Amino acid sequence: NAGVTQTPKFQVLKTGQSMTLQCAQDMNHNSMYWYRQDPGMGLRLIYYSASEGTTDKGEVPNGYNVSRLNKREFSLRLESAAPSQTSVYFCASSEVGQGPFGGYTFGSGTRLTVV
Amino acid sequence: AQTVTQSQPEMSVQEAETVTLSCTYDTSESDYYLFWYKQPPSRQMILVIRQEAYKQQNATENRFSVNFQKAAKSFSLKISDSQLGDAAMYFCAMDEGNTPLVFGKGTRLSVIA
Repeated sequence: NAGVTQTPKFQVLKTGQSMTLQCAQDMNHNSMYWYRQDPGMGLRLIYYSASEGTTDKGEVPNGYNVSRLNKREFSLRLESAAPSQTSVYFCASSEVGQGPFGGYTFGSGTRLTVV
Repeated sequence: AQTVTQSQPEMSVQEAETVTLSCTYDTSESDYYLFWYKQPPSRQMILVIRQEAYKQQNATENRFSVNFQKAAKSFSLKISDSQLGDAAMYFCAMDEGNTPLVFGKGTRLSVIA
């Protein structure tokens, strides 16, 4: 099925551990995004990539790094996980640069718990 | 900076009744796009409806319609004939075209049988 695939769906980390969240889209979209969702806070942008080879910080980038590996894949890395990074993470992609003409397509999310 | 505000953290509606979810926004752009997303317990983000700011006509999608008031920077979602499956978190979002999507904090809608 066409869409955005995120792995893993669930993860528990200990404080200080590192991990990478993987995201891949098969819609040939130019732009990809990482958001985090916390109760009462909506979705907040962590990082985005307007096109292959570029990445930019969003609203809450601290503690994260990203890699746009190719046009399909955009990974999010936590180098040293902290309890404040407990959240649900969403990857999304869109077409036509950063435009919304086709809307955003979201992955199914990763629930991360840092203990 | 663009902001999106949803002032109703929770709403409830009787099955078959109509409910309106509120959203206000702020932008300095004249052309932008507004969206309502639904997030059921499955966590999936589902696009419900979208509105282009340059269009005066309010968007409709079956039982879902919007009241877009550009001057007031208001974008409310009306759900008619509410169904149990409408119970979810609803997010209002805005895209100015050159920056990523910005979301409101969400409104949790309960549907009472």
